[in-house]
Amino acid sequence: NAGVTQTPKFRILKIGQSMTLQCTQDMNHNYMYWYRQDPGMGLKLIYYSVGAGITDKGEVPNGYNVSRSTTEDFPLRLELAAPSQTSVYFCASRNDRNGYTFGSGTRLTVV
Amino acid sequence: AQTVTQSQPEMSVQEAETVTLSCTYDTSESDYYLFWYKQPPSRQMILVIRQEAYKQQNATENRFSVNFQKAAKSFSLKISDSQLGDAAMYFCAFRLGTSYGKLTFGQGTILTVHP
Repeated sequence: NAGVTQTPKFRILKIGQSMTLQCTQDMNHNYMYWYRQDPGMGLKLIYYSVGAGITDKGEVPNGYNVSRSTTEDFPLRLELAAPSQTSVYFCASRNDRNGYTFGSGTRLTVV
Repeated sequence: AQTVTQSQPEMSVQEAETVTLSCTYDTSESDYYLFWYKQPPSRQMILVIRQEAYKQQNATENRFSVNFQKAAKSFSLKISDSQLGDAAMYFCAFRLGTSYGKLTFGQGTILTVHP
């Protein structure tokens, strides 16, 4: 099993550009999450999904959008990138028994 | 809202010694779970140990154990016989039993292991 796969691993964006961070899991988990980790800080929840077609905001959703058209995929969309969105982004999924699996992260720099 | 506080930004330990990382949390709920995650320089998030709030017995996983003090809302991690591979950032995390699995993380503690 590949687990949770995030692409790309690194990206540099210019202010005002847009991009989509991809996240795919092959474990048939219903729950999926997007977190951001600022330097020297803990992870903060951006958006989450409890199943295909169902998403909701987390703690820091401004500037982001998500969709969940399938169980496997949970892309995160950044519109009009800003320097404050420079961070490492983690996608995670969870099964019903509290087992979380994290992706390896995407390091995004907005210049 | 729930909060998680790790008051030790950095800790260090000698190889083979024991170190304890602190974590406190704030909640008015009784159904919740607590976690310790390890994040090495590779950025991978690795589950170290998990504790269910309804269990009075402290969780243990090999050299890792917790001291769960529910009344004091404290959840410390003890690493025994520290190894060089234990060097990493450690995060304490909390989730409510009814929160769709949303995790709240502390700020992290950087652990250095000296040979």
